[in-house]
Amino acid sequence: EVQLVETGGGLVQPGRSLKLSCVASGFTFNNYWMSWTRQAPGKGLEWVASITNSGGSTYYPDSVKGRFTISRDNAQNTLYLQMNSLRSEDTATYYCTRMDYYVMDAWGQGASVTVSS
Amino acid sequence: DIQMTQSPSLLSASVGDRVTLSCKASQSIYNSLAWYQQKLGEAPKLLIYDANSLQTGIPSRFSGSGSGTDYTLTISSLQPEDVATYFCQKYYSGWTFGGGTKLELK
Repeated sequence: EVQLVETGGGLVQPGRSLKLSCVASGFTFNNYWMSWTRQAPGKGLEWVASITNSGGSTYYPDSVKGRFTISRDNAQNTLYLQMNSLRSEDTATYYCTRMDYYVMDAWGQGASVTVSS
Repeated sequence: DIQMTQSPSLLSASVGDRVTLSCKASQSIYNSLAWYQQKLGEAPKLLIYDANSLQTGIPSRFSGSGSGTDYTLTISSLQPEDVATYFCQKYYSGWTFGGGTKLELK
């Protein structure tokens, strides 16, 4: 069974940093691209970052480019999201997703991030 | 950037109804479209990919159609467990979600 378990969420002040982790199991992690997608409270879904299976290429929307960094450790079956210079508008539930031919076919349960002073 | 627009934003229907949800792209996305179902308090779940391919384990009452800029998700006979918000997503030239359609029982 595919499992994705996110950790590292919490309350953080504006301008500070936070790092999310996602541990994957039930599939061959290094065969798949991975992504992060977020959902602000009561709002829709927003793609945040993607990384190729080797980790050699990464992709971001303009809203987080230069502030967020996606990375992976294939030996540890773990995906990361380093979030710097956090803003109130980054408050959301962050989902780790597996990608199969660019489609997000498996989702974690989400990690809640609140940016507030 | 390609924008994705879903309609309606809220849909009320009765058990057994045939339900149709719409998703429109601002330019052609060449069938690079997925549909996701999100029940209250849960993570989204993939239903349809490549516009019309049913994800493994998804009931056959769900189907997708469309091409170019216009796509549709159809539920042939609405069940109580289908109450959820449905999102479309394009994965041609990046990933963008529509704003969602909330489906409720009448």
